[in-house]
Amino acid sequence: AQSVTQLGSHVSVSEGALVLLRCNYSSSVPPYLFWYVQYPNQGLQLLLKYTSAATLVKGINGFEAEFKKSETSFHLTKPSAHMSDAAEYFCAVSEGDYKLSFGAGTTVTVRA
Amino acid sequence: EAGVVQSPRYKIIEKKQPVAFWCNPISGHNTLYWYRQNLGQGPELLIRYENEEAVDDSQLPKDRFSAERLKGVDSTLKIQPAELGDSAVYLCASSSTGLGEKLFFGSGTQLSVL
Repeated sequence: AQSVTQLGSHVSVSEGALVLLRCNYSSSVPPYLFWYVQYPNQGLQLLLKYTSAATLVKGINGFEAEFKKSETSFHLTKPSAHMSDAAEYFCAVSEGDYKLSFGAGTTVTVRA
Repeated sequence: EAGVVQSPRYKIIEKKQPVAFWCNPISGHNTLYWYRQNLGQGPELLIRYENEEAVDDSQLPKDRFSAERLKGVDSTLKIQPAELGDSAVYLCASSSTGLGEKLFFGSGTQLSVL
């Protein structure tokens, strides 16, 4: 069965600084990988997804993630944090069976 | 286009009472999901529908939870009777058919069982 581990439940960054959110997965087959963002009092929104095409995936709002099979990782980055990036971020994995397994989430705080 | 609509937004009930949640997915989305999100955790799948058929309900606690998706559009999730441990946010999501398709989530129903 697939699973996801997100390292760090809380990340605090200064405005303009690099945002790095770590995600490691386990899967018995080539996975589909996703990052979702949840703003307060809103539903989850897809940031980006990896479905076996390019290993560097670009998403919305300047985020990107790199799939590294050797490290079983799918870390999310953004070069320069904005105040509007404050939210909770979830990494998720699917083995192509429609069942998404989510990580516990990482809350991002952006300091002015 | 309209997103996934859920109601109510909040629900507070006493234990042993019944409760129901409603979801209207995005028009044309055949696949509908119900997830439960406990505080500080990621969402966990309860049930998945393809049109009106529940194709994966292995994680649904069937002794107290039930769900239906009549006519393959709207869906309701019911808990009877509710327990203290059922306090969580219940999320509905929908997607087009196809592996790797992204899910569109509603804002959820936050349930508090007292």
